[in-house]
Amino acid sequence: DVKVTQSSRYLVKRTGEKVFLECVQDMDHENMFWYRQDPGLGLRLIYFSYDVKMKEKGDIPEGYSVSREKKERFSLILESASTNQTSMYLCASSSPQVPYEQYFGPGTRLTVT
Amino acid sequence: SQQGEEDPQALSIQEGENATMNCSYKTSINNLQWYRQNSGRGLVHLILIRSNEREKHSGRLRVTLDTSKKSSSLLITASRAADTASYFCATAVNNAGNMLTFGGGTRLMVKP
Repeated sequence: DVKVTQSSRYLVKRTGEKVFLECVQDMDHENMFWYRQDPGLGLRLIYFSYDVKMKEKGDIPEGYSVSREKKERFSLILESASTNQTSMYLCASSSPQVPYEQYFGPGTRLTVT
Repeated sequence: SQQGEEDPQALSIQEGENATMNCSYKTSINNLQWYRQNSGRGLVHLILIRSNEREKHSGRLRVTLDTSKKSSSLLITASRAADTASYFCATAVNNAGNMLTFGGGTRLMVKP
């Protein structure tokens, strides 16, 4: 079974703090994704990585950066957290052979106060 | 912007009844997928239908696709309380098929 794990289920940070969200997958997938999910808005893609050190911006990259130094790990960074970044963050991975079938982690609910 | 839009936003039914959810999308697609999300959890891939298919079955799931109307429906037959979840349609926005856009979802509640 594919397993995608995220470093925290719940996180509370203060405005202006630097926040790291970590995601690890164990299926040797090339593709990894970060989404945020807000009520009524569905999932919105923040960043996508198709290989180590490679990344592409999604729909809402502003205020976020990412890091992919190893194939299994994809980090989302909030350089200076703001209250409008309070959200559920979901990480996913997929293989190029079956690119449309994404495997999701359990999510991190981030609250910025 | 969202490619897919689900309808209804919320649905409440009794156990044993059928549940139908609809998805509309805006641009041409190669395939369309449905995902399920249990409360507070990640999404799970349910089923994919390709643009040249009109109907697909998987267990109690039936998916239809009408490319002329740019719409899809997901039917869950003989629903169970465990089907309570949010359901999302998703379509690929790039040629490689690895960047997906998701609709806002339908929240399904199945009452025992």
